[in-house]
Amino acid sequence: GENVEQHPSTLSVQEGDSAVIKCTYSDSASNYFPWYKQELGKGPQLIIDIRSNVGEKKDQRIAVTLNKTAKHFSLHITETQPEDSAVYFCAASLMNTGFQKLVFGTGTRLLVSP
Amino acid sequence: AAGVIQSPRHLIKEKRETATLKCYPIPRHDTVYWYQQGPGQDPQFLISFYEKMQSDKGSIPDRFSAQQFSDYHSELNMSSLELGDSALYFCASSPDRSTDTQYFGPGTRLTVL
Repeated sequence: GENVEQHPSTLSVQEGDSAVIKCTYSDSASNYFPWYKQELGKGPQLIIDIRSNVGEKKDQRIAVTLNKTAKHFSLHITETQPEDSAVYFCAASLMNTGFQKLVFGTGTRLLVSP
Repeated sequence: AAGVIQSPRHLIKEKRETATLKCYPIPRHDTVYWYQQGPGQDPQFLISFYEKMQSDKGSIPDRFSAQQFSDYHSELNMSSLELGDSALYFCASSPDRSTDTQYFGPGTRLTVL
């Protein structure tokens, strides 16, 4: 089955800096890669996603890149703000198969200091 | 916009008791997923339903069962509770089985004493 690895487990940055979180996946058939932000006591919130037919996607301060050959994808947050502090999870799934369970990475705790 | 609703938000049970968790998907979403998240861990897939039929199954113990009803809400039934069942349980919904985006609810925190 699919296995997703995520690094780093914790990341501390100063406000205004950029943050990069990296994930690798094992199943080359996976074709959908969402990123979720989880604040304490809340459910995961989808912040951006990318499909395997796209190499990069951007939404304001957040961008995701995908390298299908190397089977890795990354989340980039620019101009970080204290409210970006949370746990971020990457995930992978098989789209359009009826078996679209998400396999999550182990999470990255991002701390943005003012 | 309407979100996924889960109830109860918090639940405390004794060992060997039974618990029922409820999930109300976003209106017009017919696909529901259940995930379990232990302390400091990532969510783990339990089971999913599409159009009231079980569509996929993950690492769900035999003590757990689930179903989806005609109004698309889903219930996760957990029997013979163990201390290790203490976790956050999330429900997510999708517009249909061919849509990849999953929207998560706020979760139910189950504590087994």
